[in-house]
Amino acid sequence: AQSVTQPDIHITVSEGASLELRCNYSYGATPYLFWYVQSPGQGLQLLLKYFSGDTLVQGIKGFEAEFKRSQSSFNLRKPSVHWSDAAEYFCAVCYTGGFKTIFGAGTRLFVKA
Amino acid sequence: ETGVTQTPRHLVMGMTNKKSLKCEQHLGHNAMYWYKQSAKKPLELMFVYSLEERVENNSVPSRFSPECPNSSHLFLHLHTLQPEDSALYLCASSPQGQGTDTQYFGPGTRLTVL
Repeated sequence: AQSVTQPDIHITVSEGASLELRCNYSYGATPYLFWYVQSPGQGLQLLLKYFSGDTLVQGIKGFEAEFKRSQSSFNLRKPSVHWSDAAEYFCAVCYTGGFKTIFGAGTRLFVKA
Repeated sequence: ETGVTQTPRHLVMGMTNKKSLKCEQHLGHNAMYWYKQSAKKPLELMFVYSLEERVENNSVPSRFSPECPNSSHLFLHLHTLQPEDSALYLCASSPQGQGTDTQYFGPGTRLTVL
């Protein structure tokens, strides 16, 4: 079955430090990959998405993600974390010809001063 | 208003009550979605509507009944719910209901079933 795994339930990072959130998806046809962020009391907001082409994609708020087909991964990165980045981050995948997006369980990011 | 709005934001109901959740999108999109978000679990897709027709019913119990009267409005009618149905219910919309679409989410309705 198609699935998305986010191995880290929560991560704590110091403000100004770099961040990497991991995401692995199950094997399938050409994946469409997404990262969404959810701040407390809010719905999800798209950070970035990958369909094809350059495997390093840039998103909003200084985030980027790299698609690695050989590892079935789509990890999210940010070089310097700000306190306002504290939120829950969701990786999601949809496959060619499909309309159903499959979400991971999320990684909660805590930022310490 | 802009984006996707949901009402009410919080709802407490007994197991014998009947209530409805409302979602409205102001983005001109053709597809709308209901998701259930429970703690420590992935978002569960419940229903998808595209051009007011239901295209996905993800094995959801019949105590949840969706309604999409037009492409801007989506309802979730609730009756005889169970305590395990307590969760955050998120509505989303997207331009065409295709896999490449970005989905735009509302803030959710926090439902508590007593």
